[in-house]
Amino acid sequence: DAGVTQSPTHLIKTRGQQVTLRCSPKSGHDTVSWYQQALGQGPQFIFQYYEEEERQRGNFPDRFSGHQFPNYSSELNVNALLLGDSALYLCASSSGQYSNQPQHFGDGTRLSIL
Amino acid sequence: EDQVTQSPEALRLQEGESSSLNCSYTVSGLRGLFWYRQDPGKGPEFLFTLYSAGEEKEKERLKATLTKKESFLHITAPKPEDSATYLCAVPPRDQGGKLIFGQGTELSVKP
Repeated sequence: DAGVTQSPTHLIKTRGQQVTLRCSPKSGHDTVSWYQQALGQGPQFIFQYYEEEERQRGNFPDRFSGHQFPNYSSELNVNALLLGDSALYLCASSSGQYSNQPQHFGDGTRLSIL
Repeated sequence: EDQVTQSPEALRLQEGESSSLNCSYTVSGLRGLFWYRQDPGKGPEFLFTLYSAGEEKEKERLKATLTKKESFLHITAPKPEDSATYLCAVPPRDQGGKLIFGQGTELSVKP
């Protein structure tokens, strides 16, 4: 039973560029959440997708956008990259939008901005 | 404001030296508290969910407990392989599936 998978594992970009990160949820899960984790910090919530719509959003600018596909997989897009966007981007999946069940995380994409 | 604070930020133990990690939260109407373990370069790995004060969960050398204001992760006779960052998280009231994380406690267990 595959867990949450993310691609790519590492990515290097320059300021001003755009990036797309991908996530496949754990089998049986229909909800995907994205988090940004800076070094030495806990993950910060970016947004959550359920039924192909953004249902909830954290305190991130519109440069951060996403998409969920009919098979529940998801993409995170970041435009006009800034040096401060360098971080580990984590995808988490769960069952149901308001479920109190735990979210399961992938191993993330390490994004470095030069 | 909903907030989660973990202490200490870092903890160094000798193998076999038991200790506890603390997670304090200020969230009204708690809908659950989650503990995760994160190894370097990896995503958080789910450990426990606690839903109500007085609840306890155990897994190998780890035991999590919950009160109305905080949770403890007790580590009994730790081994070097228990070295990791331990994160706690809570969903804020009426905000769907969002999780608020603490900054984590980095645990190092020396042989």
